[in-house]
Amino acid sequence: DTGVSQDPRHKITKRGQNVTFRCDPISEHNRLYWYRQTLGQGPEFLTYFQNEAQLEKSRLLSDRFSAERPKGSFSTLEIQRTEQGDSAMYLCASSMGNQPQHFGDGTRLSIL
Amino acid sequence: DQQVKQNSPSLSVQEGRISILNCDYTNSMFDYFLWYKKYPAEGPTFLISISSIKDKNEDGRFTVFLNKSAKHLSLHIVPSQPGDSAVYFCAASLNSGYALNFGKGTSLLVTP
Repeated sequence: DTGVSQDPRHKITKRGQNVTFRCDPISEHNRLYWYRQTLGQGPEFLTYFQNEAQLEKSRLLSDRFSAERPKGSFSTLEIQRTEQGDSAMYLCASSMGNQPQHFGDGTRLSIL
Repeated sequence: DQQVKQNSPSLSVQEGRISILNCDYTNSMFDYFLWYKKYPAEGPTFLISISSIKDKNEDGRFTVFLNKSAKHLSLHIVPSQPGDSAVYFCAASLNSGYALNFGKGTSLLVTP
Protein backbone atom coordinates (compact mmCIF):
# COMPACT_ATOMS: atom_id res chain seq x y z
CA ASP A 1 0.00 0.00 0.00
CA THR A 2 1.86 3.06 -1.22
CA GLY A 3 1.12 6.40 0.34
CA VAL A 4 0.97 9.84 -1.22
CA SER A 5 4.11 10.44 -3.27
CA GLN A 6 5.58 13.86 -4.02
CA ASP A 7 8.37 14.74 -6.40
CA PRO A 8 10.86 16.29 -6.08
CA ARG A 9 11.56 16.22 -2.34
CA HIS A 10 13.68 19.34 -2.58
CA LYS A 11 13.85 22.11 -5.16
CA ILE A 12 16.30 25.00 -5.18
CA THR A 13 15.77 27.68 -7.76
CA LYS A 14 16.58 31.29 -8.48
CA ARG A 15 14.06 34.03 -8.00
CA GLY A 16 12.00 34.56 -11.14
CA GLN A 17 12.21 30.99 -12.36
CA ASN A 18 9.20 28.69 -12.83
CA VAL A 19 8.89 25.48 -10.84
CA THR A 20 6.53 22.51 -11.06
CA PHE A 21 5.80 19.91 -8.42
CA ARG A 22 4.07 16.58 -8.84
CA CYS A 23 1.81 14.66 -6.47
CA ASP A 24 0.67 11.06 -6.89
CA PRO A 25 -2.21 10.35 -4.52
CA ILE A 26 -3.12 7.05 -2.92
CA SER A 27 -4.63 4.86 -5.59
CA GLU A 28 -8.37 5.41 -6.08
CA HIS A 29 -8.50 8.44 -3.79
CA ASN A 30 -10.83 10.83 -5.58
CA ARG A 31 -9.90 13.97 -3.62
CA LEU A 32 -6.53 15.68 -3.78
CA TYR A 33 -5.42 18.71 -1.79
CA TRP A 34 -2.46 21.10 -1.85
CA TYR A 35 -1.19 22.90 1.25
CA ARG A 36 1.78 25.12 1.99
CA GLN A 37 3.68 25.15 5.29
CA THR A 38 6.19 27.75 6.41
CA LEU A 39 8.44 27.60 9.45
CA GLY A 40 6.56 27.69 12.75
CA GLN A 41 3.16 27.50 11.09
CA GLY A 42 0.67 24.77 10.40
CA PRO A 43 -0.15 23.76 6.84
CA GLU A 44 -2.26 26.34 4.97
CA PHE A 45 -4.81 25.23 2.40
CA LEU A 46 -4.18 26.17 -1.23
CA THR A 47 -6.60 24.21 -3.40
CA TYR A 48 -8.40 20.91 -3.82
CA PHE A 49 -9.70 18.64 -6.55
CA GLN A 50 -12.45 16.10 -6.69
CA ASN A 51 -11.46 13.84 -9.54
CA GLU A 52 -10.27 16.28 -12.25
CA ALA A 53 -12.43 19.22 -11.12
CA GLN A 54 -10.77 21.97 -9.09
CA LEU A 55 -13.48 22.74 -6.54
CA GLU A 56 -11.92 25.31 -4.23
CA LYS A 57 -9.01 27.75 -4.28
CA SER A 58 -7.67 29.72 -1.34
CA ARG A 59 -6.96 33.42 -1.65
CA LEU A 60 -3.34 32.38 -0.96
CA LEU A 61 -3.28 30.94 -4.47
CA SER A 62 -2.18 34.01 -6.41
CA ASP A 63 -2.35 34.15 -10.20
CA ARG A 64 1.27 32.96 -10.31
CA PHE A 65 0.11 29.58 -8.99
CA SER A 66 -1.72 27.02 -11.06
CA ALA A 67 -2.72 23.47 -10.24
CA GLU A 68 -4.02 20.72 -12.46
CA ARG A 69 -5.25 17.18 -12.14
CA PRO A 70 -5.83 16.31 -15.79
CA LYS A 71 -7.05 12.73 -15.55
CA GLY A 72 -8.18 12.67 -11.97
CA SER A 73 -5.05 10.84 -10.88
CA PHE A 74 -1.75 12.72 -10.31
CA SER A 75 -1.66 16.49 -9.88
CA THR A 76 0.86 19.22 -10.64
CA LEU A 77 1.36 22.55 -8.92
CA GLU A 78 3.22 25.20 -10.91
CA ILE A 79 4.60 28.46 -9.56
CA GLN A 80 5.58 31.05 -12.14
CA ARG A 81 8.08 33.86 -11.56
CA THR A 82 9.01 32.59 -8.11
CA GLU A 83 9.53 35.08 -5.28
CA GLN A 84 11.41 34.81 -1.98
CA GLY A 85 8.12 34.50 -0.14
CA ASP A 86 7.32 31.30 -2.04
CA SER A 87 9.97 29.44 -0.04
CA ALA A 88 8.03 26.83 1.91
CA MET A 89 7.15 23.16 2.19
CA TYR A 90 4.43 22.25 -0.31
CA LEU A 91 2.31 19.36 0.93
CA CYS A 92 -0.10 17.20 -1.02
CA ALA A 93 -2.85 15.12 0.58
CA SER A 94 -5.49 12.77 -0.73
CA SER A 95 -8.67 11.20 0.58
CA MET A 96 -11.46 8.93 -0.50
CA GLY A 97 -14.64 10.92 -0.21
CA ASN A 98 -15.13 12.18 3.33
CA GLN A 99 -12.38 10.06 4.89
CA PRO A 100 -9.40 11.73 6.63
CA GLN A 101 -6.74 13.25 4.43
CA HIS A 102 -3.41 11.44 4.10
CA PHE A 103 -0.35 13.55 3.44
CA GLY A 104 2.80 13.06 1.44
CA ASP A 105 6.22 14.06 2.76
CA GLY A 106 6.19 17.32 0.83
CA THR A 107 8.40 19.24 -1.58
CA ARG A 108 10.68 21.79 0.07
CA LEU A 109 11.14 24.84 -2.15
CA SER A 110 14.07 27.19 -1.57
CA ILE A 111 14.34 30.42 -3.55
CA LEU A 112 17.82 31.87 -3.90
CA ASP B 1 -6.82 35.18 10.68
CA GLN B 2 -5.99 32.07 12.72
CA GLN B 3 -9.24 30.16 13.18
CA VAL B 4 -7.57 27.23 14.96
CA LYS B 5 -5.24 27.99 17.84
CA GLN B 6 -2.81 25.84 19.74
CA ASN B 7 -1.56 28.11 22.48
CA SER B 8 1.15 25.84 23.86
CA PRO B 9 4.12 25.67 21.48
CA SER B 10 5.71 22.87 23.50
CA LEU B 11 4.98 20.29 26.17
CA SER B 12 7.26 17.95 28.09
CA VAL B 13 5.90 14.81 29.78
CA GLN B 14 7.48 11.85 31.49
CA GLU B 15 7.12 8.41 29.94
CA GLY B 16 4.06 6.60 31.27
CA ARG B 17 2.23 9.78 32.23
CA ILE B 18 -0.68 11.41 30.44
CA SER B 19 -0.07 14.00 27.70
CA ILE B 20 -2.83 16.54 27.17
CA LEU B 21 -2.69 18.74 24.10
CA ASN B 22 -5.20 21.54 23.73
CA CYS B 23 -6.78 23.33 20.79
CA ASP B 24 -9.28 26.18 20.48
CA TYR B 25 -11.21 27.31 17.44
CA THR B 26 -13.17 30.41 16.59
CA ASN B 27 -15.42 29.36 13.70
CA SER B 28 -18.65 27.90 15.06
CA MET B 29 -19.36 26.39 11.63
CA PHE B 30 -16.53 23.87 12.00
CA ASP B 31 -17.99 20.43 12.56
CA TYR B 32 -15.14 18.01 11.88
CA PHE B 33 -11.90 17.96 13.85
CA LEU B 34 -8.69 15.99 13.47
CA TRP B 35 -5.31 15.53 15.09
CA TYR B 36 -2.18 14.90 13.06
CA LYS B 37 1.29 13.96 14.24
CA LYS B 38 4.41 15.09 12.42
CA TYR B 39 7.99 13.87 12.63
CA PRO B 40 10.83 15.97 11.14
CA ALA B 41 11.22 15.62 7.36
CA GLU B 42 7.93 13.73 7.07
CA GLY B 43 4.40 14.79 6.22
CA PRO B 44 1.65 14.93 8.86
CA THR B 45 0.21 11.54 9.82
CA PHE B 46 -3.47 11.24 10.68
CA LEU B 47 -4.09 10.19 14.29
CA ILE B 48 -7.72 10.55 15.24
CA SER B 49 -10.82 12.55 14.32
CA ILE B 50 -14.15 13.55 15.83
CA SER B 51 -17.32 14.98 14.36
CA SER B 52 -19.39 17.60 16.11
CA ILE B 53 -22.15 15.14 16.97
CA LYS B 54 -19.82 13.42 19.44
CA ASP B 55 -17.96 14.68 22.47
CA LYS B 56 -15.41 11.89 22.71
CA ASN B 57 -13.61 9.48 20.42
CA GLU B 58 -11.09 6.90 21.52
CA ASP B 59 -8.52 4.89 19.60
CA GLY B 60 -6.10 2.89 21.68
CA ARG B 61 -3.91 5.24 23.71
CA PHE B 62 -5.41 8.30 22.01
CA THR B 63 -8.64 10.03 23.03
CA VAL B 64 -10.03 13.25 21.62
CA PHE B 65 -12.54 15.31 23.59
CA LEU B 66 -14.72 18.00 22.02
CA ASN B 67 -16.47 20.79 23.92
CA LYS B 68 -18.53 22.61 21.33
CA SER B 69 -19.89 25.26 23.67
CA ALA B 70 -16.35 26.26 24.62
CA LYS B 71 -15.03 25.71 21.06
CA HIS B 72 -12.29 23.59 22.55
CA LEU B 73 -10.85 20.17 21.89
CA SER B 74 -8.09 18.20 23.49
CA LEU B 75 -6.02 15.13 22.71
CA HIS B 76 -5.10 12.78 25.55
CA ILE B 77 -2.31 10.26 25.16
CA VAL B 78 -2.16 7.61 27.87
CA PRO B 79 0.38 6.27 28.62
CA SER B 80 2.86 8.51 26.84
CA GLN B 81 5.83 6.81 25.16
CA PRO B 82 9.13 8.27 23.89
CA GLY B 83 8.06 7.46 20.33
CA ASP B 84 5.17 9.91 20.78
CA SER B 85 7.68 12.77 20.71
CA ALA B 86 6.63 14.81 17.66
CA VAL B 87 4.74 17.93 16.65
CA TYR B 88 0.97 17.56 16.99
CA PHE B 89 -1.36 19.60 14.80
CA CYS B 90 -5.02 20.23 15.47
CA ALA B 91 -7.17 20.76 12.37
CA ALA B 92 -10.80 21.65 11.71
CA SER B 93 -13.07 21.82 8.69
CA LEU B 94 -16.60 22.75 7.76
CA ASN B 95 -17.30 19.13 6.93
CA SER B 96 -15.29 15.97 6.43
CA GLY B 97 -13.66 16.00 3.00
CA TYR B 98 -13.24 19.76 2.90
CA ALA B 99 -10.19 22.00 3.31
CA LEU B 100 -8.49 21.70 6.69
CA ASN B 101 -7.62 24.68 8.89
CA PHE B 102 -4.59 23.89 11.02
CA GLY B 103 -3.20 25.26 14.25
CA LYS B 104 0.49 26.09 14.57
CA GLY B 105 1.26 22.84 16.35
CA THR B 106 2.47 21.73 19.76
CA SER B 107 5.86 20.03 20.08
CA LEU B 108 5.57 17.11 22.51
CA LEU B 109 8.66 15.67 24.18
CA VAL B 110 8.25 12.45 26.14
CA THR B 111 11.24 11.83 28.37
CA PRO B 112 12.27 8.41 29.72
